[in-house]
Amino acid sequence: KAGVTQTPRYLIKTRGQQVTLSCSPISGHRSVSWYQQTPGQGLQFLFEYFSETQRNKGNFPGRFSGRQFSNSRSEMNVSTLELGDSALYLCASSLGTSGGTNTGELFFGEGSRLTVL
Amino acid sequence: GEDVEQSLFLSVREGDSSVINCTYTDSSSTYLYWYKQEPGAGLQLLTYIFSNMDMKQDQRLTVLLNKKDKHLSLRIADTQTGDSAIYFCAESITDTGFQKLVFGTGTRLLVSP
Repeated sequence: KAGVTQTPRYLIKTRGQQVTLSCSPISGHRSVSWYQQTPGQGLQFLFEYFSETQRNKGNFPGRFSGRQFSNSRSEMNVSTLELGDSALYLCASSLGTSGGTNTGELFFGEGSRLTVL
Repeated sequence: GEDVEQSLFLSVREGDSSVINCTYTDSSSTYLYWYKQEPGAGLQLLTYIFSNMDMKQDQRLTVLLNKKDKHLSLRIADTQTGDSAIYFCAESITDTGFQKLVFGTGTRLLVSP
């Protein structure tokens, strides 16, 4: 089955602009998590959505937001972009439920590389 | 805290064994994972280990878990140049009633011919 799809793969924005990134999870997965990856900070958890509800949130300012639709697709938005927002944004999907044979693993997309000038 | 720590860099020769180490924080983690990231790509799950296991072997990969010391290691036998990548360990922790994965800083493995 198809993997996690992220769009766009690359984008360039200027300071002050806003950006929306999209993620389509693996079919049947109801949880979508977002991570920011930078050389200095590594992988930082942004937030997780399950059945259209935000379940977990990392320590990022309110400029970072997200949502999930009824088909489990998710978007994240960054407003008032800063130079430090330049990063690889990774989306990961999972079943989102615990117990049974579910090992809780995340399946990652290829990422959206954002450059802020 | 939620710090998962790894050494930043490891360099080996082709054919040697590589051992990547990780220390984690949450003793109640149910599963621990190893992910691989190649340049310009997302993370790919390599293997995982259930917390009640000490060891898991999967072809060239061996995972060792020391729960007492909260130490996890990944051994790659007969390391190949195609194994050059960044390797992340991750632990599952329960936050606000739900599980989330916390990743280590990543270890960059360089395999030279």
